[in-house]
Amino acid sequence: GAGVSQSPSNKVTEKGKDVELRCDPISGHTALYWYRQSLGQGLEFLIYFQGNSAPDKSGLPSDRFSAERTGGSVSTLTIQRTQQEDSAVYLCASSLSGPVGYTFGSGTRLTVV
Amino acid sequence: QQQVKQSPQSLIVQKGGISIINCAYENTAFDYFPWYQQFPGKGPALLIAIRPDVSEKKEGRFTISFNKSAKQFSLHIMDSQPGDSATYFCAASTKAAGNKLTFGGGTRVLVKP
Repeated sequence: GAGVSQSPSNKVTEKGKDVELRCDPISGHTALYWYRQSLGQGLEFLIYFQGNSAPDKSGLPSDRFSAERTGGSVSTLTIQRTQQEDSAVYLCASSLSGPVGYTFGSGTRLTVV
Repeated sequence: QQQVKQSPQSLIVQKGGISIINCAYENTAFDYFPWYQQFPGKGPALLIAIRPDVSEKKEGRFTISFNKSAKQFSLHIMDSQPGDSATYFCAASTKAAGNKLTFGGGTRVLVKP
């Protein structure tokens, strides 16, 4: 596609349920990033994939959060046992190389009730 | 630890006026300083960026000024237009850390016609 695609655009889930958020990066982009945007914390880095290297998970807030990237393309962010504080917009970005050309998707708005 | 501090949180400017947003950083390893523009319901979009070996960069009505010794950089929007009304984020990254972005807290700009 022409841009970074994220699905679903909106997700409402009950506290304690697991959710999966999907990101389709721009074709050929080797780097993929997940960020979280919330009112209290602003935009914060979660996890980073670069090619076949081990992901940089340093931003994941707890072990309830995990992500994978299959075949160097699509990525899924999974949140287990969701809590109300997980409510936020989850943004995915991809890049061909380096910081230039970093492109964000429109995000998934997650609401935990 | 907030590594990039952004001010002001909000800004109102008349059409044709100048909008100025300031950011300060702590990590001297940062080597790339982008500004992003975000409209409601959309992901951040790269507006303009600068590297620390340059003191100023101009693209159209948008100018970044960079002061390496003071560890500060700013965005100037000249001849502000109502269509510029958005939230602006400064950010910083370092190649050594995989180009993951550290964001400022954001500035909501409203341009009055």
